[in-house]
Amino acid sequence: DTGVSQNPRHKITKRGQNVTFRCDPISEHNRLYWYRQTLGQGPEFLTYFQNEAQLEKSRLLSDRFSAERPKGSFSTLEIQRTEQGDSAMYLCASSWDPIHTGELFFGEGSRLTVL
Amino acid sequence: SQQGEEDPQALSIQEGENATMNCSYKTSINNLQWYRQNSGRGLVHLILIRSNEREKHSGRLRVTLDTSKKSSSLLITASRAADTASYFCATAPNSGGYQKVTFGTGTKLQVIP
Repeated sequence: DTGVSQNPRHKITKRGQNVTFRCDPISEHNRLYWYRQTLGQGPEFLTYFQNEAQLEKSRLLSDRFSAERPKGSFSTLEIQRTEQGDSAMYLCASSWDPIHTGELFFGEGSRLTVL
Repeated sequence: SQQGEEDPQALSIQEGENATMNCSYKTSINNLQWYRQNSGRGLVHLILIRSNEREKHSGRLRVTLDTSKKSSSLLITASRAADTASYFCATAPNSGGYQKVTFGTGTKLQVIP
């Protein structure tokens, strides 16, 4: 297993376009998180899945954002009608059991630039 | 929203010196974690301390936790140029079931060779 994989690593798009990011977690991990990080800030929580169920969604996620995790495996984060304010690093993390192990395993992130 | 705030926001030291970063948080926690992030990369877990622990060591890292003050500190001893990175504390709330891990604002550490 090579860890959490995110694709694409970089995406440049024009305002108004739709973009989709994919995250492949560590295979035995049942928990998956999406965070957004802007320059000089810490990661901000966006949403969380336990298996295929989306258990929490941040108020940061407007109606233009949607995330899925079909069959509890990989996850996608789609942003519709992108705005310049969506420019950020989108980080995916997975874990087995944050209560007992606590550790989140992060991917390298997908950097979005909206022109 | 950020649960924790790190202090200082930026720290510059000479190689071989010790680096201390502090984290304050707002709500009751199950555990507190520290992560490291190299520029433009993902975060890497460094160490976890549970709410019933006061101090923990891992190699050159020493973490303390004071739940009465809702604060933690990360000490990196004998720093190296390769320690240059941003360091974040993260907390998991003290509630059953699902736990949302929330990150602080980070300390940017520069170790000068």
